[in-house]
Amino acid sequence: KAGVTQTPRYLIKTRGQQVTLSCSPISGHRSVSWYQQTPGQGLQFLFEYFSETQRNKGNFPGRFSGRQFSNSRSEMNVSTLELGDSALYLCASSEAPNTEAFFGQGTRLTVV
Amino acid sequence: GNSVTQMEGPVTLSEEAFLTINCTYTATGYPSLFWYVQYPGEGLQLLLKATKADDKGSNKGFEATYRKETTSFHLEKGSVQVSDSAVYFCALRLEGSQGNLIFGKGTKLSVKP
Repeated sequence: KAGVTQTPRYLIKTRGQQVTLSCSPISGHRSVSWYQQTPGQGLQFLFEYFSETQRNKGNFPGRFSGRQFSNSRSEMNVSTLELGDSALYLCASSEAPNTEAFFGQGTRLTVV
Repeated sequence: GNSVTQMEGPVTLSEEAFLTINCTYTATGYPSLFWYVQYPGEGLQLLLKATKADDKGSNKGFEATYRKETTSFHLEKGSVQVSDSAVYFCALRLEGSQGNLIFGKGTKLSVKP
């Protein structure tokens, strides 16, 4: 069974631009969560989607948004990029909420 | 609020040494507790978990016991190997709809031959 696939693996963007990151969960998994990992703040929860509905949201500004499609694939979008948005963005999939989470390798976003 | 505190790293050990990484938590209710491991350039892998008080999670020689009285979930391994070098994260998940993981800052372990 294929694992969680995140694309792209690396991304360099300029301040003020927007970016879209993609996550394909494990086949059969319907829940997708996103986390931001930085050296200063560690791992912080962004949002969780289940059956195309946002179920839970972390404490991030409205520039961060996401969605989930009918095939459970998820995207997150960050608009008006800031230098502080540079981070590793991790996606995790699970069969359902509150079940074991499997993480992808992440997308490394660098904002210059 | 809900939080996880784990010992600061980095931790450097010689091969076959005993490992302890301390983890304590603050949470309402009865959270589930986890240890995740992150190897360089990789995402997180679940190492072990415990869902209720006095449960012991174990995997690949690592163990941790859910201690509600001390709100702790310390990670231990009797004999570390070079291949155990990684960053280890303690995490909790609350009951109910707020089911996201709350992570500690991570502890980097380096094992020397």
